[in-house]
Amino acid sequence: DADVTQTPRNRITKTGKRIMLECSQTKGHDRMYWYRQDPGLGLRLIYYSFDVKDINKGEISDGYSVSRQAQAKFSLSLESAIPNQTALYFCATSDSSWTGSTDTQYFGPGTRLTVL
Amino acid sequence: GESVGLHLPTLSVQEGDNSIINCAYSNSASDYFIWYKQESGKGPQFIIDIRSNMDKRQGQRVTVLLNKTVKHLSLQIAATQPGDSAVYFCAEYPGSSYKLIFGSGTRLLVRP
Repeated sequence: DADVTQTPRNRITKTGKRIMLECSQTKGHDRMYWYRQDPGLGLRLIYYSFDVKDINKGEISDGYSVSRQAQAKFSLSLESAIPNQTALYFCATSDSSWTGSTDTQYFGPGTRLTVL
Repeated sequence: GESVGLHLPTLSVQEGDNSIINCAYSNSASDYFIWYKQESGKGPQFIIDIRSNMDKRQGQRVTVLLNKTVKHLSLQIAATQPGDSAVYFCAEYPGSSYKLIFGSGTRLLVRP
């Protein structure tokens, strides 16, 4: 079984709809991240969470919100989706407690979101 | 199909040859670097990492070289195979920040 799972894998929605993307991990990591990926732009950080009570904005948080329901779950919401939020979305985790490795991040398989 | 990487620089190599993928990083304070491989339809996969107190690190068929003087990172893949075809990203940790900064990626195509 995959260590980091994302649901749904694909989603098509309409402008103005509320969308939630979910991420679960079985790695036991305390840190979780949400990224979006656009063609030619690499990965850009939306939000990150270092533990259940810690939520931080990334470089492109406008239009998004997150919820860390448990150590293993981190969801990303688009309150009112717009077409320029069409992208690939990736969840990642890392382990801050592992001495010797500075936050190597492990990624889920991604969610392809299309906003019409 | 996969739309990531439509406008990425592309390296095309013959199967069996060695590949060298380059990355220029931005922050001289960065002290940790990672190479990721992303295959079509999948998330980025960790390949190898290196700390700033090293200039070379080897893995299985892969070697990462770090030149801090010119802020340059490279990934060498020996005896490139068709399964190596993917987009490769470098990422850096800028010192005090806990956030990875990703490069835009290079697409590697392996010709049979």
